[in-house]
Amino acid sequence: DGGITQSPKYLFRKEGQNVTLSCEQNLNHDAMYWYRQDPGQGLRLIYYSQIVNDFQKGDIAEGYSVSREKKESFPLTVTSAQKNPTAFYLCASSDPLANEQFFGPGTRLTVL
Amino acid sequence: DAKTTQPPSMDCAEGRAANLPCNHSTISGNEYVYWYRQIHSQGPQYIIHGLKNNETNEMASLIITEDRKSSTLILPHATLRDTAVYYCIVRVAGETSGSRLTFGEGTQLTVNP
Repeated sequence: DGGITQSPKYLFRKEGQNVTLSCEQNLNHDAMYWYRQDPGQGLRLIYYSQIVNDFQKGDIAEGYSVSREKKESFPLTVTSAQKNPTAFYLCASSDPLANEQFFGPGTRLTVL
Repeated sequence: DAKTTQPPSMDCAEGRAANLPCNHSTISGNEYVYWYRQIHSQGPQYIIHGLKNNETNEMASLIITEDRKSSTLILPHATLRDTAVYYCIVRVAGETSGSRLTFGEGTQLTVNP
């Protein structure tokens, strides 16, 4: 089946530790995105990438980093510089000029 | 992208039509209206989009007013599985700056048995 996978579904980390969230897609999409969602809020864009080896900051990039070494993979690292990292993280992909973004199931990160 | 305004919550009886409104009074001529929904703790799901004509697909219908300042998403026969947060988003389709979506807080639709 084609789709987007995110792992793990739940992730716990201690304060001050960096953590990397995985996002893989087999839809052959060029564009990939990371969003953050806090309780009762809409999604906010962290980073996006339109092509391999290229990415741009979204609206809330501070404290996060990404890489795009392969078309199918777009990992997100939550660094210790992110002041409030506990949130639901969603990855998405699309053809750059397409109308629809496909979302993964999300990773719920809790920093203790 | 133009800003949208949606009611925070709505209720609907199972089997009845759910009509979800969205205001986008500052929409530009080249901006489309998109609808996504998010079932609790899942990723959002695309529903439908349109420019100025009414659109229908297997999930829903989209009615856009003639002045394009507002729209209504219609779920013709709501089921319990339609309970979700519905997001109305306005953006320019096909722009190469990225198909980035700006999500507001959406409308929590609760379908009651």
